[in-house]
Amino acid sequence: RKEVEQDPGPFNVPEGATVAFNCTYSNSASQSFFWYRQDCRKEPKLLMSVYSSGNEDGRFTAQLNRASQYISLLIRDSKLSDSATYLCVVGHNTDKLIFGTGTRLQVFP
Amino acid sequence: DAGVIQSPRHEVTEMGQEVTLRCKPISGHNSLFWYRQTMMRGLELLIYFNNNVPIDDSGMPEDRFSAKMPNASFSTLKIQPSEPRDSAVYFCASSRLADTQYFGPGTRLTVL
Repeated sequence: RKEVEQDPGPFNVPEGATVAFNCTYSNSASQSFFWYRQDCRKEPKLLMSVYSSGNEDGRFTAQLNRASQYISLLIRDSKLSDSATYLCVVGHNTDKLIFGTGTRLQVFP
Repeated sequence: DAGVIQSPRHEVTEMGQEVTLRCKPISGHNSLFWYRQTMMRGLELLIYFNNNVPIDDSGMPEDRFSAKMPNASFSTLKIQPSEPRDSAVYFCASSRLADTQYFGPGTRLTVL
């Protein structure tokens, strides 16, 4: 079983839609949580960190449920430019990060 | 500020040849990471360094892979001999200790 699991998608949604991605992790000792975004043939870039209290950045909301070992990302009012692969990332008490294989999002007009 | 710099951006080589990938981290960052990305396995950590010292190389596939960081501004990942299954995109990333990792543009390696 992979340490970080995500639905690979693709999620095909129209502009303006709300879409949610989920991720589960297996190591209960995990201490840091992130969502990275990766455009086609580009490098991954940090989208947002995820905190236990939940956090919001514009149209993006991230949630963490430690009891269920579950992380989510909600995108409201989807834009064409949101089309990308979203990577769920988990860290331990070191620098080491474990990346999920990503969920692909395609927003169409 | 310049981001993480990797070279070459693309490499095509024949099986059995030596391949050297290069990385210059962001100035002031003291952690450096080498990742490999394939469609099948996603993004995998190969090795990482703190203050030029290798900390965890458990992701290095086998003895054909080696990595060095002779100083704070340069690292290499070497594959010798290369095999077709090594074909992938290799990313270097850097960070301040336990902070956000910034990725370079990657090296797309094809081994024929």
